[in-house]
Amino acid sequence: AQKVTQAQTEISVVEKEDVTLDCVYETRDTTYYLFWYKQPPSGELVFLIRRNSFDEQNEISGRYSWNFQKSTSSFNFTITASQVVDSAVYFCALSEAGYSTLTFGKGTMLLVSP
Amino acid sequence: KAGVTQTPRYLIKTRGQQVTLSCSPISGHRSVSWYQQTPGQGLQFLFEYFSETQRNKGNFPGRFSGRQFSNSRSEMNVSTLELGDSALYLCASSPGTGNTGELFFGEGSRLTVL
Repeated sequence: AQKVTQAQTEISVVEKEDVTLDCVYETRDTTYYLFWYKQPPSGELVFLIRRNSFDEQNEISGRYSWNFQKSTSSFNFTITASQVVDSAVYFCALSEAGYSTLTFGKGTMLLVSP
Repeated sequence: KAGVTQTPRYLIKTRGQQVTLSCSPISGHRSVSWYQQTPGQGLQFLFEYFSETQRNKGNFPGRFSGRQFSNSRSEMNVSTLELGDSALYLCASSPGTGNTGELFFGEGSRLTVL
């Protein structure tokens, strides 16, 4: 069975601080996909990034960066110089190759204060 | 390109009633998935439809059902509502083939059962 654990329930930071959201996953599959989604107060889940299990190259996109390590089954997400607009719930998710079904973590609520 | 549209956005029902929620996917997407989001259980997969056929199903009782029409629009139905069915119901669409798990979500239908 697949499982995604986000140990941080809530994180509060002050604007311009860097913040890292942790994600640990479990799967028996050799091919899988990892995701981060953002859920603002409006409720819609917004896709941020996808990584497949064969691509451990870390990526930086603007203020966002991701650290994927298969050896520790972790897929962490960092926001550099956080802004108030980053306040949202962030979900890490996992899917098997070939399936649209996502297994989500419980989410981490990020509060960025001015 | 229009996003995923869910109706109604908010609704209130009483125990024992039934409810039908509607989802219009992104044009050209043939897969529609439904998720239930509650504070206690988080995001849980209900079912997925592809080309009018249920392709995958989560661990929910038979009171939860769905269908997909030839235009890919989908409905889900919950019969004999219970208090615990109060939740945000999220619909997501994807192309349905060459799946990498990336889903596009609507803003959800928030159901309150009194």
